[in-house]
Amino acid sequence: DSGVTQTPKHLITATGQRVTLRCSPRSGDLSVYWYQQSLDQGLQFLIQYYNGEERAKGNILERFSAQQFPDLHSELNLSSLELGDSALYFCASSAGGAETQYFGPGTRLLVL
Amino acid sequence: DQQVKQNSPSLSVQEGRISILNCDYTNSMFDYFLWYKKYPAEGPTFLISISSIKDKNEDGRFTVFLNKSAKHLSLHIVPSQPGDSAVYFCAASAVSWGKLQFGAGTQVVVTP
Repeated sequence: DSGVTQTPKHLITATGQRVTLRCSPRSGDLSVYWYQQSLDQGLQFLIQYYNGEERAKGNILERFSAQQFPDLHSELNLSSLELGDSALYFCASSAGGAETQYFGPGTRLLVL
Repeated sequence: DQQVKQNSPSLSVQEGRISILNCDYTNSMFDYFLWYKKYPAEGPTFLISISSIKDKNEDGRFTVFLNKSAKHLSLHIVPSQPGDSAVYFCAASAVSWGKLQFGAGTQVVVTP
């Protein structure tokens, strides 16, 4: 158990819909990262938050957004969903910068 | 642009023997390298890391070697056990970044 929790574990929705994925980092970690793993791509970095502020952005679509709240949990919002958004979404946390990141169990999103 | 490459998609090894996983990178800014192990339907689990100021790091059965001039790292697992059967990901980061760049992964199967 990494100490990072993610909800929900599974999500099935339809094209055009909006979903919210939730992540709670390990106790004491200030940084939260979101990654996407789809079948034909490896683990791709989406976005990082540090203590409530956006720190880095990767290949995140404009239809996707994230935020980190004062209690340090984070939410990833995916809107106008397309079939190609079906993937595993992982959250990771670390103490601050480029230290070891610890991953949650992931949310499996299926868009029908 | 694949900056971290794992050229062997799979590796089969006998129980008790050594598993050697390889990883190459192209970006000389990377200064922190990690190996993660992943079982199906679970998040990546941190195994071992190495900073660019070192060329070897050992933790129990796992040893990571870094050759900066060749931009190459490897993970040795000795002795291999059936529970080691999983996908292994190499990842790299830079102090100023935080985000991890992942390789495509190597599926390891340990046979009795």
